[in-house]
Amino acid sequence: GENVEQHPSTLSVQEGDSAVIKCTYSDSASNYFPWYKQELGKRPQLIIDIRSNVGEKKDQRIAVTLNKTAKHFSLHITETQPEDSAVYFCAASPAGGTSYGKLTFGQGTILTVHP
Amino acid sequence: NAGVTQTPKFQVLKTGQSMTLQCAQDMNHNSMYWYRQDPGMGLRLIYYSASEGTTDKGEVPNGYNVSRLNKREFSLRLESAAPSQTSVYFCASSEKARLYEQYFGPGTRLTVT
Repeated sequence: GENVEQHPSTLSVQEGDSAVIKCTYSDSASNYFPWYKQELGKRPQLIIDIRSNVGEKKDQRIAVTLNKTAKHFSLHITETQPEDSAVYFCAASPAGGTSYGKLTFGQGTILTVHP
Repeated sequence: NAGVTQTPKFQVLKTGQSMTLQCAQDMNHNSMYWYRQDPGMGLRLIYYSASEGTTDKGEVPNGYNVSRLNKREFSLRLESAAPSQTSVYFCASSEKARLYEQYFGPGTRLTVT
């Protein structure tokens, strides 16, 4: 099955700095790569996703990049703010077949943004 | 529109006891999921249901059973709880066209002593 590795496990930055979280996956059949944010004590929520036919996608201060050849994808947050502090999870899912929608998550990155 | 709801929010069980975690969604989603979240291990899929009447195993199904009661409700049962099942359990749902965009419930914190 799919295996998703996520690094780093913790990340501490100063407000205004950039933060980068990296993930690798093992199954070449994976085609959807969503990122979820989980604030302390809350439920995970989707913040951005990228599909295999796209190399980069941006949404305001967050961007995701995908290198399908190397099987890795990354989350970039620019101009970080204290409210960006949370646990971030990457995930991978195949595009079709019986496993479509079965997300395999990374271990999570605890991001702390210091004012 | 409540989204995805779960009951109970907290539960303490003794080893060997059984219980059912309830989940319901009002978004008319076809697919529903049960995850467990443990520190340092992310979210791991226990079972999922692609549509009403179907269920399938995820990554960590041992010790659990599920029932897709109808389109709205998907329950998770622990027949004989073990300390290794101490975790936070999340239910989620998604629409057919965007299965990877999953909406999570608030979670159930379960402790097995």
